[in-house]
Amino acid sequence: GAVVSQHPSRVICKSGTSVKIECRSLDFQATTMFWYRQFPKQSLMLMATSNEGSKATYEQGVEKDKFLINHASLTLSTLTVTSAHPEDSSFYICSAATSGGSTDTQYFGPGTRLTVL
Amino acid sequence: QKEVEQNSGPLSVPEGAIASLNCTYSDRGSQSFFWYRQYSGKSPELIMFIYSNGDKEDGRFTAQLNKASQYVSLLIRDSQPSDSATYLCAVKFGTASKLTFGTGTRLQVTL
Repeated sequence: GAVVSQHPSRVICKSGTSVKIECRSLDFQATTMFWYRQFPKQSLMLMATSNEGSKATYEQGVEKDKFLINHASLTLSTLTVTSAHPEDSSFYICSAATSGGSTDTQYFGPGTRLTVL
Repeated sequence: QKEVEQNSGPLSVPEGAIASLNCTYSDRGSQSFFWYRQYSGKSPELIMFIYSNGDKEDGRFTAQLNKASQYVSLLIRDSQPSDSATYLCAVKFGTASKLTFGTGTRLQVTL
């Protein structure tokens, strides 16, 4: 159980284009989903927390107009990187939790590797 | 500022030995503690979680929590080369839903 999928697993795009990444919880309902970014040889950086049906909460320094998050259902959240630039190239990982409570466990998707040319 | 600290390593242990990974955290009010394993180029994979003081065992893994000293550790018995990865300690501070990660400890299990 507790399987989270992401699509696509890898994407290459041109500078200035937008890229949408999907995160799905396959066998449970995820009230809360999280989006992380990880640069090579660095730790995970939380970008935002999203709850189903409400606006995402962004971490300090993350541009909400550039990284659009939609958590439309209990099994799907999307991250859209708008007007991507080479510095946005990174490993984007989502995680999902059933309730978002303090004892709830986050399960991670396999990640999406974004390369912006 | 809420912090989670880990030694970056690499920690090198021979096959069959016990690997001991340590993590300290800054907030005494933290409730939930998680260990994740991350292979190079992959996303984190949950190994185990612990909420109460003491030891929690799951197969070859044992998590140890000492809230008074604000540390949590992970022991891996009978270490295998396939255990070679980066181990991430993560803490939920207070009632927050989000995890704060340490920078990870790279473990190398040698033949």
